[in-house]
Formats: sequence, structure tokens, C-alpha cells
Amino acid sequence: DSGVTQTPKHLITATGQRVTLRCSPRSGDLSVYWYQQSLDQGLQFLIHYYNGEERAKGNILERFSAQQFPDLHSELNLSSLELGDSALYFCASSFGLAGVGDTQYFGPGTRLTVL
Amino acid sequence: ILNVEQSPQSLHVQEGDSTNFTCSFPSSNFYALHWYRWETAKSPEALFVMTLNGDEKKKGRISATLNTKEGYSYLYIKGSQPEDSATYLCAFSNYGGSQGNLIFGKGTKLSVKP
Repeated sequence: DSGVTQTPKHLITATGQRVTLRCSPRSGDLSVYWYQQSLDQGLQFLIHYYNGEERAKGNILERFSAQQFPDLHSELNLSSLELGDSALYFCASSFGLAGVGDTQYFGPGTRLTVL
Repeated sequence: ILNVEQSPQSLHVQEGDSTNFTCSFPSSNFYALHWYRWETAKSPEALFVMTLNGDEKKKGRISATLNTKEGYSYLYIKGSQPEDSATYLCAFSNYGGSQGNLIFGKGTKLSVKP
């Protein structure tokens, strides 16, 4: 158990809908990262928050948005869902910045299926 | 576009064999290299983080080396066991194109037969 929690574990919804994925980082970690794992793709970086502020954006679609709250939990909002958005969405956390050498811990993931 | 290449894509070994795989990344403006172990139906688990050229890290039977000048890292598993079966991911970051974000390879899938 990495100490990172994600809810829900599974989500099945229809095209055009909007969903919210939730992540609680490990106690004490300030950074939260969101990744997407699609079929045959590697882990794709979506967005990074550090201590409540957006730090970096990766390949995140305009239909997707995220935020990190004062208690450091984060939510990823996916709207106008398309079939191609079906994927495993991971949240990860680190104390500082994984990009400069802090260990990053992954949550169990949310499996999103868009029908 | 920055690419992280991992080879081989998959590997089948017998229990007790030692094995190694490679992660190749752009060598310029290097920040950090991470290795993860990802078992089926679980989430990636951090193995090592390396930041300095020549770094060597070890955890039990698993070790890793880093060459930032030529842009590669090796992961070694000594005396493979069935429980080592997993996908091994590497991820790198630099202060150029990756802007400090981690870019992941597609992994090496290891299967260890008893």
C-alpha cells in the first residue's frame, strides 16, 4: 500500500457525460500528478500540482481539468467524454518534485470505461 | 518529442536466471531517472531514483546503474524468481523538453517460469 488513495476504483459512463476522479496523496506529500494509461500507450503525464498550485501541464485535453484543494487532495474532471477517453487514470504523489529526484508513489488507479 | 526507449519489450527467463534490461533516454540537460515495478492489476511501485552519472542502486537482488553522458540505465535482476514477473518501467526527466516532468518508457515485461 503506497498510501495514495483514489476513488472510485471503477467508473462506467456514457459518451458526452462528465466524471470526477478523486485522489488523496500520501500524508505529508505536497505534489500530486495525474497520468493516463491507454491501451498500447505508456503512462502519459497529464498534469502536476504542487502545494495547491498548478506546476506543469502535459498532454491534457481541454475537456479535462484538475485542481488541488487546501487539504492537498486533488480532483480530475473529465467532461464531454468520448470513447477514446476510456483508460486507467493514475494519481501519484511525492513530497517535492519527482522530476528532480523525489520518489513518486502511485495510487491504485481508476478504470474509466466510456460506452 | 522526447523518447524513452526500453528494451527488450518482453523477456521470458527460467527461475534462477539472471537478467538485465535497458532504458535509453536523451542525454542532454538530465535531471533524474526512475525505475518502477508494475505487477498486473496493481499500481507501479518505485524501485530506484537516480540523479548522478555513475549512480548505482541496489535493493535485494535488483540493482540499477546510470550513465547520463551516453543516456542509458541498466536494471539487473540476479537469480530471477517467479514473483519478479512484472513490467519494469523507467521514466526520465530533464530541464529541456520534459520541463522537469517524468516521461515514461513503455516498459519491459518480464516473465519468470518456475
